[in-house]
Amino acid sequence: GAVVSQHPSWVICKSGTSVKIECRSLDFQATTMFWYRQFPKQSLMLMATSNEGSKATYEQGVEKDKFLINHASLTLSTLTVTSAHPEDSSFYICSARDRGVTSYEQYFGPGTRLTVT
Amino acid sequence: AQKVTQAQTEISVVEKEDVTLDCVYETRDTTYYLFWYKQPPSGELVFLIRRNSFDEQNEISGRYSWNFQKSTSSFNFTITASQVVDSAVYFCALRPNTGGFKTIFGAGTRLFVKA
Repeated sequence: GAVVSQHPSWVICKSGTSVKIECRSLDFQATTMFWYRQFPKQSLMLMATSNEGSKATYEQGVEKDKFLINHASLTLSTLTVTSAHPEDSSFYICSARDRGVTSYEQYFGPGTRLTVT
Repeated sequence: AQKVTQAQTEISVVEKEDVTLDCVYETRDTTYYLFWYKQPPSGELVFLIRRNSFDEQNEISGRYSWNFQKSTSSFNFTITASQVVDSAVYFCALRPNTGGFKTIFGAGTRLFVKA
């Protein structure tokens, strides 16, 4: 099956620094990628939808200047958490839509655990 | 409104018991997809099943079975003869046909299976 990878799998950073998380589709091309955030013991909440070559669409309440998303190629989307604070500590999961098959195919990455100290 | 409700926050069973996880959804779309995912402690989502709105057939896969009933907007998941390895958080999710391919997750049900 299709594989989506995320890097890093976990990261610890100091408050005020920026962190970049990569999401890659390894064996398919993804026109659309999604970024989710999951706080401990909570559900996945969609943060933004990323389309290759265009600006990301952010969900209500998500600060676009804080969570920068770049989808520069059909296999890579990046999420940069700028000026991270402890409240940004969370589990970030990306998913990718395979443009080559029917509309229901979407694959999730393994997640990136961010801890801001 | 598009919404998924998993009313059971936590369930605890003893190994070999059967357990059913409930899922109720809301959508105005006539075409949509429903999913179940398992999230073990590692965090990685494990895809279990996808069902489209036009296919109400129940499905069985080993110890897992799913009951989809459009009349009650429910998509329940049953684990037969539960095992300790089934301990995880289980998410039911909805993807309406409209809305840009977004997936809406329920709050999740945490299942504890004790030996």
